Amino acid sequence: DTGVSQDPRHKITKRGQNVTFRCDPISEHNRLYWYRQTLGQGPEFLTYFQNEAQLEKSRLLSDRFSAERPKGSFSTLEIQRTEQGDSAMYLCASSYGLAETQYFGPGTRLLVL
Amino acid sequence: QKEVEQNSGPLSVPEGAIASLNCTYSDRGSQSFFWYRQYSGKSPELIMSIYSNGDKEDGRFTAQLNKASQYVSLLIRDSQPSDSATYLCAVRNFGNEKLTFGTGTRLTIIP
Repeated sequence: DTGVSQDPRHKITKRGQNVTFRCDPISEHNRLYWYRQTLGQGPEFLTYFQNEAQLEKSRLLSDRFSAERPKGSFSTLEIQRTEQGDSAMYLCASSYGLAETQYFGPGTRLLVL
Repeated sequence: QKEVEQNSGPLSVPEGAIASLNCTYSDRGSQSFFWYRQYSGKSPELIMSIYSNGDKEDGRFTAQLNKASQYVSLLIRDSQPSDSATYLCAVRNFGNEKLTFGTGTRLTIIP
């Protein structure tokens, strides 16, 4: 399978714990995006990378959130001191270049108890 | 006013009929428009993209764009039960990488 992959697919954690998600983009896609989707809403943009550079961050991305893309390949999204409001589907997407189509991975569903 | 607006539905259409999904956007700088299909519990899957005014057809799907009216629509001909899903309209503005999504329209095809 050469699509976008995400790990884990599901995560249940207790409030206050830290969690980390991983995204592997489609091979040779230099742009990688993170979105968050809550029930009944469309995905909301969080941040994106061009190669290893993080070029834009949404105001939604509080200081508890950090994303990295070392070496311009896979990316990680870490949430520190999780809150119940962080419960959502975290979606990763990748694209080949500027203004190209974004392809989504299967998502990581997070539940904070 | 939301940047991208869709009727949340549910929209029920008989099998074999045409399903019409609508989306309006507020930013006249919007340049690229996308329709994604999302099955319950799954991630969005691209159906159509459209960049210029007019119609774009791909199989049973037709996307229509009217930039003057800030309106984009998706027509699904010969609707099938497998078309039952939430359809998300997404917009990308000039010079911006991010997609802005509507809340989606839930479509149910009735056998």
